[in-house]
Amino acid sequence: GAVVSQHPSWVICKSGTSVKIECRSLDFQATTMFWYRQFPKQSLMLMATSNEGSKATYEQGVEKDKFLINHASLTLSTLTVTSAHPEDSSFYICSASALAGIRTDTQYFGPGTRLTVL
Amino acid sequence: DAKTTQPPSMDCAEGRAANLPCNHSTISGNEYVYWYRQIHSQGPQYIIHGLKNNETNEMASLIITEDRKSSTLILPHATLRDTAVYYCIAAYNQFYFGTGTSLTVIP
Repeated sequence: GAVVSQHPSWVICKSGTSVKIECRSLDFQATTMFWYRQFPKQSLMLMATSNEGSKATYEQGVEKDKFLINHASLTLSTLTVTSAHPEDSSFYICSASALAGIRTDTQYFGPGTRLTVL
Repeated sequence: DAKTTQPPSMDCAEGRAANLPCNHSTISGNEYVYWYRQIHSQGPQYIIHGLKNNETNEMASLIITEDRKSSTLILPHATLRDTAVYYCIAAYNQFYFGTGTSLTVIP
């Protein structure tokens, strides 16, 4: 149980275009979803936290107008990288938990999406 | 969330127990200790978590000191597939990943 999928697994796009990444919880309802990114040889960095039906909460330094997060249902969250640039190239990973974000809960991670911006 | 400190790397012989330490001296009373591992270019995999008591599941055991300032993840019989970066996280809700321990299991 507790499977999280991401689509696509990798994407290459031209500079200036937008890219949407989907994160789905397959066998449980995800009240809270998290988005991380990971640069080569670095650790995961939390970008934002989203609760179903609410606006996402972004970490300091993460541009909310550039990284649009939608969590419209209990099984789906999307991250849209708008006007992508080469410095946005990274490994984007989502996670999902079954409890509301104010309480601790195990997060289950997706397999990640490799974004390359040319 | 409390900051965690882990050794950057460790080696372990195949078939032996791997003991991975983690310091979380500033952990607060409502923060759990979580362990995840990440194999190259994959999403982190949940291993185990605990609050005060020692925990065991089919993957590993988690030993938490009585003062909760440190913990040890034990993989009882390491295999080559256990080679990964292991992250210890002390958290209440949001996870802030440290640099983790790169474990290499040697044949």
